[in-house]
Amino acid sequence: DAGVIQSPRHEVTEMGQEVTLRCKPISGHNSLFWYRQTMMRGLELLIYFNNNVPIDDSGMPEDRFSAKMPNASFSTLKIQPSEPRDSAVYFCASSRGGTGDIQYFGAGTRLSVL
Amino acid sequence: KNEVEQSPQNLTAQEGEFITINCSYSVGISALHWLQQHPGGGIVSLFMLSSGKKKHGRLIATINIQEKHSSLHITASHPRDSAVYICAVDYGNKLVFGAGTILRVKS
Repeated sequence: DAGVIQSPRHEVTEMGQEVTLRCKPISGHNSLFWYRQTMMRGLELLIYFNNNVPIDDSGMPEDRFSAKMPNASFSTLKIQPSEPRDSAVYFCASSRGGTGDIQYFGAGTRLSVL
Repeated sequence: KNEVEQSPQNLTAQEGEFITINCSYSVGISALHWLQQHPGGGIVSLFMLSSGKKKHGRLIATINIQEKHSSLHITASHPRDSAVYICAVDYGNKLVFGAGTILRVKS
């Protein structure tokens, strides 16, 4: 398997623009996680899906952030409108069974909002 | 409040040394993860454990549920072990991360 695939790897955008990050989990994995990493706050869990259903979205910073998982092989994280403080590395990870199972991480998307 | 404390924040070791990184948490947990993040940014899951001890090559992870404490040990450390090591605690479908330990192993 190719592992967890994220796109794009880098995104540079201007404040106010819509940003969409994409993730393809490992085939057969039932759980998908979106994380954000910054120097100030470290790694933070944004949202966690199990069988395509959001289980915990308490980490989503505000209404500008939304995440969807329309099927078992694809998820998106959208920021609209983007702000400079959203600049971070966004990781997607998947596991066979929830937060209590080994997670496999994608390479991340480095987002810069100017 | 669910907190995760890691120590030390920074660690410099000489090649071959035995290394220990600690993680403490505040309340009961479902599981604890140790992650490794290389200088290039990629994150790898090293261990997931809920009790006892696990070993993989030169890496050993232990957890003491009563003391709410976990340790990650690296035996015969090598410069390629240089990375950030992150502890993550599962409070039942809620993952909380430590701030990470920056390890540098000099040759």
